[in-house]
Amino acid sequence: DAKTTQPNSMESNEEEPVHLPCNHSTISGTDYIHWYRQLPSQGPEYVIHGLTSNVNNRMASLAIAEDRKSSTLILHRATLRDAAVYYCILWAGTASKLTFGTGTRLQVTL
Amino acid sequence: DAGVIQSPRHEVTEMGQEVTLRCKPISGHNSLFWYRQTMMRGLELLIYFNNNVPIDDSGMPEDRFSAKMPNASFSTLKIQPSEPRDSAVYFCASSRDTVYGYTFGSGTRLTVV
Repeated sequence: DAKTTQPNSMESNEEEPVHLPCNHSTISGTDYIHWYRQLPSQGPEYVIHGLTSNVNNRMASLAIAEDRKSSTLILHRATLRDAAVYYCILWAGTASKLTFGTGTRLQVTL
Repeated sequence: DAGVIQSPRHEVTEMGQEVTLRCKPISGHNSLFWYRQTMMRGLELLIYFNNNVPIDDSGMPEDRFSAKMPNASFSTLKIQPSEPRDSAVYFCASSRDTVYGYTFGSGTRLTVV
């Protein structure tokens, strides 16, 4: 499985934008980039995914580098409820599995 | 849609006892996954099923662990005999076998004393 590298932790102020980086230099052409987050005492939750183009949904935006070797999850206005561990995962498609790394622990302060 | 339903939410058992964790996936989802999470090892995939058939059980730690999916709406993960090092949160997840990600249950917190 191709690996991803994320910072262990990040901090943000409430209502500020947050950019969570992820490096995946060994990504293959068919790997999707998935982001999940895990709130305290809950199971992981799907956030967003992309293949080549930038993506937006109600939760976040995903910016994918042109060479696809890195991506950034963007939370446009962080709230205290966004404090969680964020996982960047490469997914090879149907019949493959999601392998979680250690993720980035995001702290949001007032 | 009630989401992925796991039971029990919490289980405390004595070493050597059999433990059975249960999962009801979302209706219409044809892939099911069992994960285990500990502070030391993070989230580990134990086994996954596609159309009720086990596809990859390489993450099952040892023969004490077994998983079944007798039909599309039910799966069990059994540990027999249980040991203190099995203490963890066990998550079940399901997906529609598409790119749109997995839905996780709330987990079962297992404590083996």
